[in-house]
Amino acid sequence: EDKVVQSPLSLVVHEGDTVTLNCSYEVTNFRSLLWYKQEKKAPTFLFMLTSSGIEKKSGRLSSILDKKELFSILNITATQTGDSAIYLCAADDYNTDKLIFGTGTRLQVFP
Amino acid sequence: GAVVSQHPSWVICKSGTSVKIECRSLDFQATTMFWYRQFPKQSLMLMATSNEGSKATYEQGVEKDKFLINHASLTLSTLTVTSAHPEDSSFYICSASGDTDTQYFGPGTRLTVL
Repeated sequence: EDKVVQSPLSLVVHEGDTVTLNCSYEVTNFRSLLWYKQEKKAPTFLFMLTSSGIEKKSGRLSSILDKKELFSILNITATQTGDSAIYLCAADDYNTDKLIFGTGTRLQVFP
Repeated sequence: GAVVSQHPSWVICKSGTSVKIECRSLDFQATTMFWYRQFPKQSLMLMATSNEGSKATYEQGVEKDKFLINHASLTLSTLTVTSAHPEDSSFYICSASGDTDTQYFGPGTRLTVL
């Protein structure tokens, strides 16, 4: 059965800290790995990763995929209170076009 | 680009009534639309996948007659919750994909059934 596992489940840090969120996957027809940030409403898209070893960067956020070890990480440097959210990763199945979501990592950043 | 809207944002209805939620892709043609349901503190649960002009494919455990999905055009899909009950109260999110296969999410619709 296909699955996506995120860790940790929850993380509490102070502003300025750097955090690393993990996402491992077991998906037979894997196409890409996506990261989303979810605050009060629907998730907002962050990154889509298709190739191993190529870092994607957007401001203080960066992400990389390892297709050999079947995981991805999302790094946030110099965290701010506005980074507090649930971060979801999802694996894209090329056979069904479905997204298989992990349970998310809840990040809380305190001033 | 790639904006997806949902209407309404929030709906409150009485038990036994039907509620229709719209999902529109505003600036691209969505060949496939997905409907998700989210329970508090949980991840998204895929309910069904719909392709324009054909019947939706429902996930196991999702009642087809309860959650009617119509994808009549390349920019509009609707989810109708028929004879809604309090246990149907949830956050319903649609996403749409076009040529690139990337899913773009709508802002969600909160349904509260009294």
